[in-house]
Amino acid sequence: GAGVSQTPSNKVTEKGKYVELRCDPISGHTALYWYRQSLGQGPEFLIYFQGTGAADDSGLPNDRFFAVRPEGSVSTLKIQRTERGDSAVYLCASSSPGQNEQFFGPGTRLTVL
Amino acid sequence: GEDVEQSLFLSVREGDSSVINCTYTDSSSTYLYWYKQEPGAGLQLLTYIFSNMDMKQDQRLTVLLNKKDKHLSLRIADTQTGDSAIYFCAVYNQAGTALIFGKGTTLSVSS
Repeated sequence: GAGVSQTPSNKVTEKGKYVELRCDPISGHTALYWYRQSLGQGPEFLIYFQGTGAADDSGLPNDRFFAVRPEGSVSTLKIQRTERGDSAVYLCASSSPGQNEQFFGPGTRLTVL
Repeated sequence: GEDVEQSLFLSVREGDSSVINCTYTDSSSTYLYWYKQEPGAGLQLLTYIFSNMDMKQDQRLTVLLNKKDKHLSLRIADTQTGDSAIYFCAVYNQAGTALIFGKGTTLSVSS
């Protein structure tokens, strides 16, 4: 079956611009996670959705970052007024109820010039 | 907060065993995980161990857990060049809402 997909695979933008990153989880997975991986680091948690609601958004670094999941499936991570420090690979993962494994997508590489 | 630490590099010869070590600060995670990341690829779950177990074997992989010392290790037997990758140790945070990852250990296998 299809895994977690993320679009675009690469995004280059200029400082100050707005970007949207999309995640399409595995069908039927109610839990969805966003992580950010900077060069040479492990993934760092951003936000966790259970269904349509953000159950834990404590990892969002500041109010320029926002994520939605309006129908409990696809999620969009939105970054306003991008900064060079936002450059990283943004990873999405999903899991189904009672399952301890998170399945990761290939990531979106964001470069802010 | 929770912290997971790993050594950054390991270099072995093909056919040798590799041992990757990890220490963590919070022991509330029910499961502890090892993920593999190959260049340009996403994270792939390699194996995991239930927190009540000391050891888990899965073909060439052996996971050892020392809860008292909060130490987790991954042993790869008969290491192959295809095992070259970055290996991440991960545990859940106290709230059970997010995985906390180490910085990753880069395994380099020479033939």
